[in-house]
Amino acid sequence: GAVVSQHPSRVICKSGTSVKIECRSLDFQATTMFWYRQFPKQSLMLMATSNEGSKATYEQGVEKDKFLINHASLTLSTLTVTSAHPEDSSFYICSAKVGGRDTEAFFGQGTRLTVV
Amino acid sequence: AQSVTQPDIHITVSEGASLELRCNYSYGATPYLFWYVQSPGQGLQLLLKYFSGDTLVQGIKGFEAEFKRSQSSFNLRKPSVHWSDAAEYFCAVGSNNAGNMLTFGGGTRLMVKP
Repeated sequence: GAVVSQHPSRVICKSGTSVKIECRSLDFQATTMFWYRQFPKQSLMLMATSNEGSKATYEQGVEKDKFLINHASLTLSTLTVTSAHPEDSSFYICSAKVGGRDTEAFFGQGTRLTVV
Repeated sequence: AQSVTQPDIHITVSEGASLELRCNYSYGATPYLFWYVQSPGQGLQLLLKYFSGDTLVQGIKGFEAEFKRSQSSFNLRKPSVHWSDAAEYFCAVGSNNAGNMLTFGGGTRLMVKP
């Protein structure tokens, strides 16, 4: 199956700094990428949907200025957590898919962000 | 708006016993349905999916699920559970368009007794 790689898998940063998480589709071109957030022992919540070359669509309640998403190419999307605070600590997972009906999205392995 | 309910937060079964994880969805049209498994600290692995056609879907690792439109359900089953099946299981529903963003259920944590 298709492979989606997320980097880094774990990151610890100081409060107030910014962190960038990369999501790459390794063997296919992803027209759409999704970013999810998962709190401990909870389900995944969609944060935003990004299409290559256009602005991301954020879900209600997600601050677009805090969670910057860039989908500059068909194989790479980045999520930047700006001015991180301890409450931003979470597990972030991306998924990527080729456009069209009847196609599934493939998930990255996730990034554990800890803000201290 | 689409939604997914997994009524069981935790389930414990004995190794070798059968398993059924429940999933109910709410969606206005024909849904795309998925089951994923997540081991601790890991990403999601797709077990199986339903887009159309045969309502009984076979997946990896011996799992199957049945789409029942009348009950708005997509329950996951396995005839004989292995200790390595212990994990978190998520049911998800997607829209049948090119975007296909997923809405996840709350998850069911499966524990397997030896």
